[in-house]
Amino acid sequence: DVKVTQSSRYLVKRTGEKVFLECVQDMDHENMFWYRQDPGLGLRLIYFSYDVKMKEKGDIPEGYSVSREKKERFSLILESASTNQTSMYLCASSLSGQYYEQYFGPGTRLTVT
Amino acid sequence: GQSLEQPSEVTAVEGAIVQINCTYQTSGFYGLSWYQQHDGGAPTFLSYNALDGLEETGRFSSFLSRSDSYGYLLLQELQMKDSASYFCAVRANNAGNMLTFGGGTRLMVKP
Repeated sequence: DVKVTQSSRYLVKRTGEKVFLECVQDMDHENMFWYRQDPGLGLRLIYFSYDVKMKEKGDIPEGYSVSREKKERFSLILESASTNQTSMYLCASSLSGQYYEQYFGPGTRLTVT
Repeated sequence: GQSLEQPSEVTAVEGAIVQINCTYQTSGFYGLSWYQQHDGGAPTFLSYNALDGLEETGRFSSFLSRSDSYGYLLLQELQMKDSASYFCAVRANNAGNMLTFGGGTRLMVKP
């Protein structure tokens, strides 16, 4: 079974803090993704990585950065958290070329106060 | 860009059949995926249609009409455990082959 794990299920941070969200997958997938999920808006892509040290911006990259130093690990960084970044963050992975079939982690619900 | 429309909520009775529609606007369309997400859970992949027609997987089927920019997910013999949110997602080359998700349809199955 594909397993995607995320470092925290719930996280509360203060405005202006630097926040790290980590994601690990154990299926040797080339592609990894970070989404945020807000009610009624579905899942919106923040960043995507197709290989180690490679990244591409998604639809809403502003205020976020990512790091992929190892194939299995993809980190999302909020440089200076703001209240409008309060959301559910979902990590996913897929095989190269199979963007349509993604495997998701359980999500991190981040609250910024 | 892409836009997808799906109903926000659908209610059906246990044992019935329900159809969740998805219409999309995009260029460079490749295919349509469907995902299921239970409350508090991770989205899980259900199906992918790249060609016109119906794909069946057990109680779930997915349909695509490329000419109508339309697809649907059909759930048969509904069970209480099918209560979840269902997302359609378009894969298109004008989005770098990434998936663009719809807002989701919340399905409530009643006894």
